Order: sequence, then C-alpha cells, then structure tokens
Amino acid sequence: AQTVTQSQPEMSVQEAETVTLSCTYDTSENNYYLFWYKQPPSRQMILVIRQEAYKQQNATENRFSVNFQKAAKSFSLKISDSQLGDTAMYFCALTPLLAGNMLTFGGGTRLMVKP
Amino acid sequence: EPEVTQTPSHQVTQMGQEVILRCVPISNHLYFYWYRQILGQKVEFLVSFYNNEISEKSEIFDDQFSVERPDGSNFTLKIRSTKLEDSAMYFCASRQVRGTLQETQYFGPGTRLLVL
Repeated sequence: AQTVTQSQPEMSVQEAETVTLSCTYDTSENNYYLFWYKQPPSRQMILVIRQEAYKQQNATENRFSVNFQKAAKSFSLKISDSQLGDTAMYFCALTPLLAGNMLTFGGGTRLMVKP
Repeated sequence: EPEVTQTPSHQVTQMGQEVILRCVPISNHLYFYWYRQILGQKVEFLVSFYNNEISEKSEIFDDQFSVERPDGSNFTLKIRSTKLEDSAMYFCASRQVRGTLQETQYFGPGTRLLVL
C-alpha cells in the first residue's frame, strides 16, 4: 500500500512570484511514477507534471518544476512566475510502475495567486 | 488533442435509484479507471478495467457498483441503489499500455452526482 501526504492545506502567492508545494509519500515499491495534478474551480483534473522514480533528473514543464528526493520520499512542485490562472487545488499522486495500478492521491493544497 | 469525455456533467437522483455514469476514454487507450471525490476530500480510486474485465478495485467498490464497456467506445459506471453518501464527483480516466510501463492517466471533466 502507498500513502501520499500534502502538509499544506492552503497557500497563497503574489502574482509573478515563486511558490513551492510540498508532497511526501510512502511506498514499498522501488519503481513508481509521481504526478502533480491541478484542479481548477471547474473541478477537472489536469496533469501538470510527472516524474519517473528511476530518473534522477527533476522533471520540468515550462514554469513548473519538481524537486524529487527519492531517499527522503519527497516530491515538491515549484511554480515560477505565478499567474492568476494557477489558482487551483493541486494534488500530488503516486502509482507503482506496474500495469494497471491505481493512483493514490494526497489531500491537496489549495493555491491562491493574488494580483 | 484527444480527451476523455463524460456525461452527464451533473446528475441529481433520489436515494435508492439506479444511475449510470458514462465515459468515452481516449481512443487508443486500453486501461480505464473510475475515481470519486467527495466534496472537500481527496480523490479516491474505485476501479480499474482492462481487457474487458476488472483489473483492480478498492473497498469502496462494493456490490452496488458495476462497470461495463458495452461497445468499443463507452465505459460506464453503474450504481444500483444510490445512497446519500454516494454524492460526489466521479472522474473517469484512461491511459495507454506499453508493455508493463505505467503511462499517465488522463482524466475526464467529471460527473457531479447528487443523491437526495
């Protein structure tokens, strides 16, 4: 079984500033994928970024990057140059590297970007 | 860009009634999932489906739930006798399969179910 914990229920950041959302996890698997999903007020789940645990290099997608610390089981999301449209719930999720397994989600962090 | 679609977007039903939630996964995807999110809570896995059978299911997915792929495009979740606590957002997701590698799950926009 795996668990995902997001310790920050809510965060806020000024527009154009940088913010980091924390995520820790626990799994007995050695190979797995980690994801950050964004859920705007429309409640649709949108993939932000993903990281393969067997890759040491941190994933980057435009203004979004992760700090993946496998030994510490930590997977934080950094949003640079925050925009008003980044206001949303952000969920960290994990799935083992085996076909068919489900995503385990954290409790989410509500991010508010202020003008 | 291909996307997962879900219908209806909202459904209101009376307790004890049957509901069917519909999903059209991305066309070349082979794994399908249902998740639910009770308001204010985390997203929870319900069931995964591959090769016309359930691959995994959670303890939430009891006998009142069933899934089906009635044709080549639709993937449905049926709740036989709805309870008040079934009120939630239900998300469908799908992904490709390449060997045994996990691929990203893409989510539909969700169906908001309200049981009265």
